[in-house]
Amino acid sequence: KQEVTQIPAALSVPEGENLVLNCSFTDSAIYNLQWFRQDPGKGLTSLLLIQSSQREQTSGRLNASLDKSSGRSTLYIAASQPGDSATYLCAVFGQAGTALIFGKGTTLSVSS
Amino acid sequence: NAGVTQTPKFRVLKTGQSMTLLCAQDMNHEYMYWYRQDPGMGLRLIHYSVGEGTTAKGEVPDGYNVSRLKKQNFLLGLESAAPSQTSVYFCASSYNRAGELFFGEGSRLTVL
Repeated sequence: KQEVTQIPAALSVPEGENLVLNCSFTDSAIYNLQWFRQDPGKGLTSLLLIQSSQREQTSGRLNASLDKSSGRSTLYIAASQPGDSATYLCAVFGQAGTALIFGKGTTLSVSS
Repeated sequence: NAGVTQTPKFRVLKTGQSMTLLCAQDMNHEYMYWYRQDPGMGLRLIHYSVGEGTTAKGEVPDGYNVSRLKKQNFLLGLESAAPSQTSVYFCASSYNRAGELFFGEGSRLTVL
C-alpha cells in the first residue's frame, strides 16, 4: 500500500530564507506527484505536477524535484515571504492506483 | 469560471439525520472525487467517479453513498449521520485519470 510521508510537520522561518520541504513515498511505481498549497479554512490549490518521467518542475519561486527510484520529492521555495505561510501537501498517483494518495502536510510559517 | 463549487459550506446535524453534499464542476472533467480531511489523518478518499453514471469506493466508503447522474455533479450522501463523520469534506475533479486535481473550498460538517 502506498504511503506518503512529509517531514517536518511544521516549519518556521524568517522572511527571505530559502527553504526545502520534503516528501517521501513507499512505492516508486507512480504516474505523477503533485504539490498543493492549503490556506486555513480553504481548499487545496495545485502548485506543481511532476510526471514520473520528469526530474523537476518550476513555477516562479517554487521548484519541485522528483527522485522516483529513492521515493523522494522536494519542494524548494526561494526567498520566502509571509504570504507563503500555509500548509503544503504532497500527493502521488500510483500506477495501480485510482486516486491521489496524500501526505499529512507541512505547515509553513514565514515571519516578517 | 467557478471551477469546483461545493454546497453547503457549513452544516450541523444531529446523530441519525441524513443530508447530501453537492459538488458541481464547470470544467467538463470526467473524474470526480470526494475526500474527507481530519486532524492527524490527512486527506482520505471516500468515493470517486470516472464518468457520468459511474461510482466506486475509495479508502473510507462506509456510511456514505454517492451518485453521478450528470457529468458536472457529484453528490455525497449520509443516510444516518454519526459523530465519527464530523469532518471537512472536499470535492475534487480532474480531466483524466492522473491529471491535475482541482479542489472545491470544502464543506465543514459537524454531527452532534
